[in-house]
Amino acid sequence: GENVEQHPSTLSVQEGDSAVIKCTYSDSASNYFPWYKQELGKRPQLIIDIRSNVGEKKDQRIAVTLNKTAKHFSLHITETQPEDSAVYFCAASRSGGFKTIFGAGTRLFVKA
Amino acid sequence: DARVTQTPRHKVTEMGQEVTMRCQPILGHNTVFWYRQTMMQGLELLAYFRNRAPLDDSGMPKDRFSAEMPDATLATLKIQPSEPRDSAVYFCASAELNYGYTFGSGTRLTVV
Repeated sequence: GENVEQHPSTLSVQEGDSAVIKCTYSDSASNYFPWYKQELGKRPQLIIDIRSNVGEKKDQRIAVTLNKTAKHFSLHITETQPEDSAVYFCAASRSGGFKTIFGAGTRLFVKA
Repeated sequence: DARVTQTPRHKVTEMGQEVTMRCQPILGHNTVFWYRQTMMQGLELLAYFRNRAPLDDSGMPKDRFSAEMPDATLATLKIQPSEPRDSAVYFCASAELNYGYTFGSGTRLTVV
């Protein structure tokens, strides 16, 4: 069945360093790839997404890259800050009404 | 900001009791999802609806769980009878088609 694998499960970085989270997906028909951030005790929130007709998208300190041939996509956070500490979930879905498959999550710690 | 509203926020109940969780999706969103989150399992899809019709409830234990959408402004998730292993945070999310979910604040369920 469809699957999304996410690595690493835990990531610890020093404030100001970059953080990279990687995901691979199995359904080659997937064409929408959102990322969610979940702070402790709160709801997951959409922070950025990318569709399969683009290879990269940036929004201030965060960027996502997509390699459809290899079926993997990544989240890059530059100049990390303590408030970036959270669990990040990648996900993949097809347009047209299919369910979204979530990765298992990456717990990011940014040390001040 | 448009919000998904979930009630109750917290629920403590005794084993064997019925639990009902409610969700008001964002007006105009035609897809509604129920997820369960535990420390060990990440985000587990229980059921989802498109235009109020159930599309997939394969993630739900059918003998005790049921999900319905009696109208476009209300989705419900019931557990009867509840068991201690049902203790988790239950999130409702809504979306337009399958893009960019908005999650509710969740119902933290504790079954003792």
